[in-house]
Amino acid sequence: QKEVEQNSGPLSVPEGAIASLNCTYSDRGSQSFFWYRQYSGKSPELIMSIYSNGDKEDGRFTAQLNKASQYVSLLIRDSQPSDSATYLCAVKGANSKLTFGKGITLSVRP
Amino acid sequence: DTAVSQTPKYLVTQMGNDKSIKCEQNLGHDTMYWYKQDSKKFLKIMFSYNNKELIINETVPNRFSPKSPDKAHLNLHINSLELGDSAVYFCASSWTVNTEAFFGQGTRLTVV
Repeated sequence: QKEVEQNSGPLSVPEGAIASLNCTYSDRGSQSFFWYRQYSGKSPELIMSIYSNGDKEDGRFTAQLNKASQYVSLLIRDSQPSDSATYLCAVKGANSKLTFGKGITLSVRP
Repeated sequence: DTAVSQTPKYLVTQMGNDKSIKCEQNLGHDTMYWYKQDSKKFLKIMFSYNNKELIINETVPNRFSPKSPDKAHLNLHINSLELGDSAVYFCASSWTVNTEAFFGQGTRLTVV
C-alpha cells in the first residue's frame, strides 16, 4: 500500500464550481497534514495545514481531516482558472518523514 | 528576500562529473530537507536534517551526500553523476520536524 494516495486525475471543473480533492494515508501515527499547490515549472506552495479532525477553512479553501478513516480532503469553492495546477497532499508520519502523494492536476474551464 | 534559496537554478553536466547544489534558508527554521522530483512529477524525500543532524536518510545511492554546516544551510553533493539523476531537486525547511515545509525554487539538473 502506498503511503499517501491521491486520485489519479486529471480533474476538470467549470469556473465557479467546487473542486474536491481527496487523499488517503497509511500511517495511523500521522499527526500533520498539508495541501500544496504546484504550478508547472514552479516549486510547491503551501495552501493549507491541518492537524486535528474536522474542517479548517481559509478563504475559498477548506481542508477536512478524518483520522479514523485516514482521509484528508481539500475543497476549493468558486474555482477560478488561476486555480489550475497540480495539488499535492503531504503527510507527516510518526517518524517525522514528510511524504507526498503523486498529486492531481486540476483544470478549471472558463 | 528569498526565504529558501537554492543555487544554481539550472545545472547541465556530463555523466561521471561531481556537482553540488547549495541551499540556504533565512527563516530561522530548525529542519531542512532535500526532495527529488522526477519527470512524472513525483516528489520524493531524500534527506532531512534537524539542527544539523541527519534524521531521515531514504534509500538514496551513496553517491549523494548531504552536508549541513549550520542550521541555515543544507548542501547536496553528487558524485559520478548518472543519466537517471536528471530531475528537479528541491530544498525545503520547516520550523520543526512536525510543521509545514517551505520550498526553494528548485534546481533542474540535467545529466548528458
